[in-house]
Amino acid sequence: GAVVSQHPSWVICKSGTSVKIECRSLDFQATTMFWYRQFPKQSLMLMATSNEGSKATYEQGVEKDKFLINHASLTLSTLTVTSAHPEDSSFYICSAQGTDSTNYGYTFGSGTRLTVV
Amino acid sequence: TQLLEQSPQFLSIQEGENLTVYCNSSSVFSSLQWYRQEPGEGPVLLVTVVTGGEVKKLKRLTFQFGDARKDSSLHITAAQTGDTGLYLCAGDQGGKLIFGQGTELSVKP
Repeated sequence: GAVVSQHPSWVICKSGTSVKIECRSLDFQATTMFWYRQFPKQSLMLMATSNEGSKATYEQGVEKDKFLINHASLTLSTLTVTSAHPEDSSFYICSAQGTDSTNYGYTFGSGTRLTVV
Repeated sequence: TQLLEQSPQFLSIQEGENLTVYCNSSSVFSSLQWYRQEPGEGPVLLVTVVTGGEVKKLKRLTFQFGDARKDSSLHITAAQTGDTGLYLCAGDQGGKLIFGQGTELSVKP
């Protein structure tokens, strides 16, 4: 079945630095990738939708200059948290949409736990 | 305003009991999915419902999609401790997946 690899699985960074998270579709082409953010004991909140080769579409309230998304190929999207602060600490999850009809195309990565100290 | 209202948000039951989780919206969805998520992991798809009135069974789990495709329910029969986890409903709207608040289920032995 469709597999999405997310890397790193966890990262600790100092306040003010930038962190890049990668999301790869391993065995299918993902024309669209989604980035979610999840705080403890809460649900997934959609941050942005990215289509290969074009600018990402951000949800209301998400700062596009802080959360840079690049979707340069059909198998890779990256999320860069710039000038990270402790309040950016969260669980970030990507999802890739392909042509797998068994789940209508949404396959999730295993998430990245970001801790900003 | 939450697009998908999921209830209850927390549920603690004894092993062997039955439970139902509800997912309601005022919007119509082309499809609705149920996921289960373990701590520190991504959500894992349980089922997708597409047709209004559709009922799907996955062992002790029964999923139903409302006739108007605005609501869904998840029923677990004879819950086991291994069912403990976060259950999420998600609706496909306009090409993106929007999640409900989630139901944190704890099944005690």
